Amino acid sequence: GENVEQHPSTLSVQEGDSAVIKCTYSDSASNYFPWYKQELGKGPQLIIDIRSNVGEKKDQRIAVTLNKTAKHFSLHITETQPEDSAVYFCAASRSPDKLIFGTGTRLQVFP
Amino acid sequence: GAGVSQSPSNKVTEKGKDVELRCDPISGHTALYWYRQRLGQGLEFLIYFQGNSAPDKSGLPSDRFSAERTGESVSTLTIQRTQQEDSAVYLCASSLGTTTDTQYFGPGTRLTVL
Repeated sequence: GENVEQHPSTLSVQEGDSAVIKCTYSDSASNYFPWYKQELGKGPQLIIDIRSNVGEKKDQRIAVTLNKTAKHFSLHITETQPEDSAVYFCAASRSPDKLIFGTGTRLQVFP
Repeated sequence: GAGVSQSPSNKVTEKGKDVELRCDPISGHTALYWYRQRLGQGLEFLIYFQGNSAPDKSGLPSDRFSAERTGESVSTLTIQRTQQEDSAVYLCASSLGTTTDTQYFGPGTRLTVL
């Protein structure tokens, strides 16, 4: 079955700097790769997703890149702000199907 | 519009008791998923309903866990004879169920087994 690995587990950056979180997956048939942000005591919220027919997608300060050959995808947050502090999860699936999640990255943005 | 709702938000129970957790998906979403999140960890898939198809139960950790869904609406997750290791946040998500679907999560139910 699918296995998703996520790094780093924690990430601390200064406000205004960029943050990068990386994930690898094992199932070459996976075709959908969402990223979720989870704040304390809340459910995960989708922030951006990418499908296997696209290499890069950007939404304001957030971008995701996908390398199907290497089976890895990354989340890039530019100009980080304190409100970006949260736990971020990557996931992969053979959409539509269950999501297999990474173990999460706790991002702290210091003012 | 209304998102996925779950009830109760918190549930404290004694070891050995049964519990029922409820999920109300977004209207029109044919797919519904249950995940479990232990403290400080990622989300583990439990069960997936898609329309009238047989559910994918491959993630259920034991036969103490079961779930039902009425048509394309409410779902209940039942845990029988709860154990302390069942303590976790149980999250429900729903999606349109198409190849371009996005899963939207509810706020979760925090279950504590004493």
